[in-house]
Amino acid sequence: GAGVSQSPSNKVTEKGKDVELRCDPISGHTALYWYRQSLGQGLEFLIYFQGNSAPDKSGLPSDRFSAERTGGSVSTLTIQRTQQEDSAVYLCASSDFPGGNEKLFFGSGTQLSVL
Amino acid sequence: EDQVTQSPEALRLQEGESSSLNCSYTVSGLRGLFWYRQDPGKGPEFLFTLYSAGEEKEKERLKATLTKKESFLHITAPKPEDSATYLCAVRGYGGATNKLIFGTGTLLAVQP
Repeated sequence: GAGVSQSPSNKVTEKGKDVELRCDPISGHTALYWYRQSLGQGLEFLIYFQGNSAPDKSGLPSDRFSAERTGGSVSTLTIQRTQQEDSAVYLCASSDFPGGNEKLFFGSGTQLSVL
Repeated sequence: EDQVTQSPEALRLQEGESSSLNCSYTVSGLRGLFWYRQDPGKGPEFLFTLYSAGEEKEKERLKATLTKKESFLHITAPKPEDSATYLCAVRGYGGATNKLIFGTGTLLAVQP
């Protein structure tokens, strides 16, 4: 595709439900990142995938959060038993790093609202 | 701990009124400093990467500069279409090599 694609663009859920957010990175990009952006806050790193290496999960805020990347391409971020504090924009980005350009290409994000 | 602080939080300019945005950083060995632009409802869009003190990059009305402690994004004769949130981020050589650490951004509004 032409850019990073995220779905859904908006998700409203009830507290306690599980949600899945999807990211389609730019074809050929080996690195994939998930960030979270809350109102008035900076982008908060969640998780990083690089090729077939073990992901860097150091930013996941709790064990309710998990992510996988299948076939080195599409990634899914899963939040179990959602809480109101999980409400935020979840951004996915991909890049050539470290093999190529270090700049990140971001999707438009998924706006998650937990009621 | 790696940290990025941006100022001001918000800035309102008249069209043509030049100004600068500041990004102060603390990192255990700077691998790169990045500027991004973010429009409402969109993901951040890459502007510049700076690697060493003294380096400068330009694009249209924007110029980014870097010292050992901070970076400036200079906006010359801005236009309303320059209105956006400008984000600064750093990547270090330490344990955080995998991720960019972002500041909270400067919300720029340029009025015609």
